[in-house]
Amino acid sequence: EIVLTQSPGTLSLSPGERATLSCRASQSVNSNYLAWYQQKPGQAPRLLIYGASSRATGIPDRFSGSDSGTDFTLTISRLEPEDFAVYYCEQYGYLPNTFGQGTRLDIK
Amino acid sequence: QVQLQESGPGLVKPTQTLSLTCTVSGGSINSGSHYWNWLRQPAGKGLEWIGRVYTPGGTKYNPSLNSRVTISVDTSNNQFSLRLTSVTAADTALYYCARSSAHYGGTDSWGQGALVTVSS
Repeated sequence: EIVLTQSPGTLSLSPGERATLSCRASQSVNSNYLAWYQQKPGQAPRLLIYGASSRATGIPDRFSGSDSGTDFTLTISRLEPEDFAVYYCEQYGYLPNTFGQGTRLDIK
Repeated sequence: QVQLQESGPGLVKPTQTLSLTCTVSGGSINSGSHYWNWLRQPAGKGLEWIGRVYTPGGTKYNPSLNSRVTISVDTSNNQFSLRLTSVTAADTALYYCARSSAHYGGTDSWGQGALVTVSS
């Protein structure tokens, strides 16, 4: 199965700053079938990005995704207070679908 | 707006079978455009995909659970279900049912989750 490694484990930033989260795949992800999710305490994950760079419905344009081979990046251009949460990447190009271990984005 | 809701026992004894049902409202489980998934998340940990059903045909399971898991669909009631046999404490988790696009991927609709504890 494809292993996804997210870094950093925790990122401490202030509102208004730029956040860059990384997700590295152990092998090529079929057709860039990679998604990003945001999860807040007590809530189900929320889809942010699919296909590595397409924003899901209703997601603000401060969220963007990009890829370079087996390296994928989620960028939040200007952090809002509601953006502080845990972020997961998921690959769905090869079964079984797999998730990264998550990056916690904390308020500094 | 599609909504999903998990239901089932919150406590299961070791070696027994965990059974959950997901009721879908606001959309048809027979659309052919979506996969209907089960995932789980142990407390304080990450997400694990369990498997999915696709109503035009077929189920896919995570090989780590393959021999113990069955996902079935009841189109007449717009529901799909999870059965996990021979459970242990390691199966204690929040179980989510969720919908993903069969064409573009990404899991865009989730239930609120059902906590299942395996304990005697």
